[in-house]
Amino acid sequence: GNSVTQMEGPVTLSEEAFLTINCTYTATGYPSLFWYVQYPGEGLQLLLKATKADDKGSNKGFEATYRKETTSFHLEKGSVQVSDSAVYFCALKAGVEKLTFGTGTRLTIIP
Amino acid sequence: EAQVTQNPRYLITVTGKKLTVTCSQNMNHEYMSWYRQDPGLGLRQIYYSMNVEVTDKGDVPEGYKVSRKEKRNFPLILESPSPNQTSLYFCASSLAGTGRGNTGELFFGEGSRLTVL
Repeated sequence: GNSVTQMEGPVTLSEEAFLTINCTYTATGYPSLFWYVQYPGEGLQLLLKATKADDKGSNKGFEATYRKETTSFHLEKGSVQVSDSAVYFCALKAGVEKLTFGTGTRLTIIP
Repeated sequence: EAQVTQNPRYLITVTGKKLTVTCSQNMNHEYMSWYRQDPGLGLRQIYYSMNVEVTDKGDVPEGYKVSRKEKRNFPLILESPSPNQTSLYFCASSLAGTGRGNTGELFFGEGSRLTVL
């Protein structure tokens, strides 16, 4: 079956540090890949997506590249801000509408 | 404003007392789904619905029921809640299929935190 593995948190960084959150997946076929973000007390919202190999999704300074050869979709940001503190979920969709989520990575940015 | 609305946002109940968590979306989405979020387990799908009167089990359906009588509503029913159903619940919706305008994005409600004593 489909599965997503992402790095365990929590992750604590200083403001302006470089961020990487690793995500790898197992899926049949050619899934679409997503990063969702959950701010405190809120539901999840889409951060970025990529639908085919070598696509790069980007939004709000975050980027992730769909790497089919390594089955990865790592999230990166060059300079994090305190407002980026949240829980980040990697997810995939293969075939039907259902999203399969990773366990989430809690990110805390300290000033 | 496009949104998914869940109620109640917070609920404390006792074992065995039936409860319903309502979910409504105003985006004319065909697909709706319920997830539960638990520490260390991420989001797990409970039930989903591809359209009116079409529902199916997700990964953790035991102890839950759903119905989809109208396109906009997808209530989650706990007939006899137990403490292991204490969790944070999310309703979500999206367009279905691969038609034009379908970005694949799932829209989430703000969550319903349920405690069963």
